[in-house]
Amino acid sequence: NAGVMQNPRHLVRRRGQEARLRCSPMKGHSHVYWYRQLPEEGLKFMVYLQKENIIDESGMPKERFSAEFPKEGPSILRIQQVVRGDSAAYFCASSTSGGLDEQYFGPGTRLTVT
Amino acid sequence: SQQGEEDPQALSIQEGENATMNCSYKTSINNLQWYRQNSGRGLVHLILIRSNEREKHSGRLRVTLDTSKKSSSLLITASRAADTASYFCARSYNNNDMRFGAGTRLTVKP
Repeated sequence: NAGVMQNPRHLVRRRGQEARLRCSPMKGHSHVYWYRQLPEEGLKFMVYLQKENIIDESGMPKERFSAEFPKEGPSILRIQQVVRGDSAAYFCASSTSGGLDEQYFGPGTRLTVT
Repeated sequence: SQQGEEDPQALSIQEGENATMNCSYKTSINNLQWYRQNSGRGLVHLILIRSNEREKHSGRLRVTLDTSKKSSSLLITASRAADTASYFCARSYNNNDMRFGAGTRLTVKP
């Protein structure tokens, strides 16, 4: 089992550009979570998705951020018109079912906005 | 805030000593999970303890949960330099929500 895959591992964007972060869950996992980790801080929940559905996006900024988990393919976290404050590590986790089960994390994508 | 706190923020010990990290929370949880994060890497799941459990072991790791005090602790016995990492506790409040604290940065000196 390859584990949770995220790509790219590092992403540099200029202010105003778009960032697309991809997450492939572990085989057999249909639940995906996205977290953001600012430098020197803990992880903060952003969004929870099941295949083709957003279950909970209470942690996602209302503007510029969106997430999807299509029937086929990876989950995508999209940040439009990036700003310096978006620079962070973005982690994806997957699980077989909701939060009562262990979440397995990917290696993260480190986004730098210049 | 639902998140509570982890303490200490940083801990430095000698190899062979035990390391204890604590995690508190403010509202009832379904379960609590401990993760390790090496510098620049992703998180690694260590132990999940459910709200009806009091103690769990995994190798040199021991996790306790005291629901009356709304706190948990992670004990690493006979620490090694390779245990140097940040340790996070994640509180699961419902099926959708898992909240992390700022973590404890553990340094084990050889």
